[in-house]
Amino acid sequence: AQTVTQSQPEMSVQEAETVTLSCTYDTSESDYYLFWYKQPPSRQMILVIRQEAYKQQNATENRFSVNFQKAAKSFSLKISDSQLGDAAMYFCAYRSGTSYDKVIFGPGTSLSVIP
Amino acid sequence: EPEVTQTPSHQVTQMGQEVILRCVPISNHLYFYWYRQILGQKVEFLVSFYNNEISEKSEIFDDQFSVERPDGSNFTLKIRSTKLEDSAMYFCASRPGQGLYNEQFFGPGTRLTVL
Repeated sequence: AQTVTQSQPEMSVQEAETVTLSCTYDTSESDYYLFWYKQPPSRQMILVIRQEAYKQQNATENRFSVNFQKAAKSFSLKISDSQLGDAAMYFCAYRSGTSYDKVIFGPGTSLSVIP
Repeated sequence: EPEVTQTPSHQVTQMGQEVILRCVPISNHLYFYWYRQILGQKVEFLVSFYNNEISEKSEIFDDQFSVERPDGSNFTLKIRSTKLEDSAMYFCASRPGQGLYNEQFFGPGTRLTVL
């Protein structure tokens, strides 16, 4: 069974600084997708960034980028130029490439942004 | 921008009572999901639903749970006889259709409190 681990329950970052959130996962599959979801205090989860396992190039979305290390099964999220609106719970998640269904979530990292 | 909506935002019930959690997925989406998040724990997959039937369910989704799409717009989760351990945040999600890049869009959640 696939598992997703986030070893940092809480993180904080100064506004305008850069922060990296860690994620590791375990799978025997070769085809899969990895995601970072953001859950602000309003509770609606929003997709931040997605990485296809078959792509070597790390995904980027504006200030958000990932460091995908397939051999190490590591998928960290880097937030550059942190803003107050980045404060949220961040979930790392996995979806099998052969299943369109369930997403497996990590336990989450609560990110605080200090003005 | 279309959103998944859920009602109520908070439901309080007595142990043993039946509850129905309601979701309105994004129009023209074809796949529907329920997840739950017990306080302080990770988001867990419950069930996926497509073409008026369950396509996948987790071990959590036992006989006490059922899902229904009664009228083509709503998607409901029923818990027949609630237990204390059913207290959690329940998230509905939907996605458009076939295609590996079709992401799940999440609703804001319903907080269920079982007393």
